[in-house]
Amino acid sequence: DQQVKQNSPSLSVQEGRISILNCDYTNSMFDYFLWYKKYPAEGPTFLISISSIKDKNEDGRFTVFLNKSAKHLSLHIVPSQPGDSAVYFCAASANAGNNRKLIWGLGTSLAVNP
Amino acid sequence: DTGVSQDPRHKITKRGQNVTFRCDPISEHNRLYWYRQTLGQGPEFLTYFQNEAQLEKSRLLSDRFSAERPKGSFSTLEIQRTEQGDSAMYLCASSLESLAVQYFGPGTRLTVT
Repeated sequence: DQQVKQNSPSLSVQEGRISILNCDYTNSMFDYFLWYKKYPAEGPTFLISISSIKDKNEDGRFTVFLNKSAKHLSLHIVPSQPGDSAVYFCAASANAGNNRKLIWGLGTSLAVNP
Repeated sequence: DTGVSQDPRHKITKRGQNVTFRCDPISEHNRLYWYRQTLGQGPEFLTYFQNEAQLEKSRLLSDRFSAERPKGSFSTLEIQRTEQGDSAMYLCASSLESLAVQYFGPGTRLTVT
């Protein structure tokens, strides 16, 4: 059972436009959400995170929005650049007995076209 | 470079052989996690350490798998009698105890032939 779902396997946008990547979750115990970027044959790179007590967090071109009632979060990248082309993973964690293991979605492959 | 490092980056082995991977976390991080990722999937949690104590193991971690972090610094993951189904990317991550953000190494790609 996928507790974290990224329903769009791929997304293609033009350089300079906005990229919006979506993520849904089912476990109401999740209290921290993270976005990672991954290139082939490399480990995930942390991008941005958000605590469940907030509804928005911004870092440069990256903004994450959290809608707790809908159990939905999204990552906005503005403006998109060709170097942003990668697989983006949504991950969530709950403070379950001190183990902050991450539960991951399947990823969305973003292609930013020049 | 003060990030998480993993060695080797790639390992090809024959079925039935034993393999061992090493992970060096960010030096001040006391939590260390192992994940496994197969094609088309997100990483899946295997086990984690707080300092030298292994506090949780996933049911994905069969008896053929063992992990150690003897001095609370680097960690090793050993797979005995490898099977083709063990072929995957093995990822190591570390974090500070109080924070949920985990920083990942480059991974070890295991291919079992």
